[in-house]
Amino acid sequence: NAGVTQTPKFQVLKTGQSMTLQCAQDMNHNSMYWYRQDPGMGLRLIYYSASEGTTDKGEVPNGYNVSRLNKREFSLRLESAAPSQTSVYFCASSVVLKASGNTIYFGEGSWLTVV
Amino acid sequence: SQELEQSPQSLIVQEGKNLTINCTSSKTLYGLYWYKQKYGEGLIFLMMLQKGGEEKSHEKITAKLDEKKQQSSLHITASQPSHAGIYLCGADKTTGNQFYFGTGTSLTVIP
Repeated sequence: NAGVTQTPKFQVLKTGQSMTLQCAQDMNHNSMYWYRQDPGMGLRLIYYSASEGTTDKGEVPNGYNVSRLNKREFSLRLESAAPSQTSVYFCASSVVLKASGNTIYFGEGSWLTVV
Repeated sequence: SQELEQSPQSLIVQEGKNLTINCTSSKTLYGLYWYKQKYGEGLIFLMMLQKGGEEKSHEKITAKLDEKKQQSSLHITASQPSHAGIYLCGADKTTGNQFYFGTGTSLTVIP
């Protein structure tokens, strides 16, 4: 059971380049998320998708676009990378369990450096 | 603005010492999660608390949620180098499918 899989794990980009972070989950979860983690800031939500076909902005969406390709996959695109986007990116998915609320599962993270 | 405040921001302890990390919210928490991130790796789910006064333990780690459901503490007994990493609390938002996270606590355990 792979859970949440993110690729690539490491990437170095030049300012202005574009790239897409891929995320897939095999748990049949409806909701998926993209977060970025910066020192002292904790995790901040970039975009989320409550269900297939829907996406919504989170706390820090500027400079990013997302696609919920199907129920399994949720990609994050940087159209023109900037040094401020150097961060660790986490994809996550969740299911709502009636008795115990939301349970969220994270990928291993993607370390992105923009030079 | 951060909805969850974690303290301390960083912690350095000698191996074998006990320690506590706190997570505080100004709002009632409806689901409080503790995660650990080892340096260079992803997040690992530790525990989830839902009920006021609830306490859960896993190996040497105990998490509690206060009766008012606005503060949680994570306590590590007899710390070991394997406990080192960043501890992160997260909470359910009451509406929709969103979560909030604290800023994290960086723990270093000196052998």
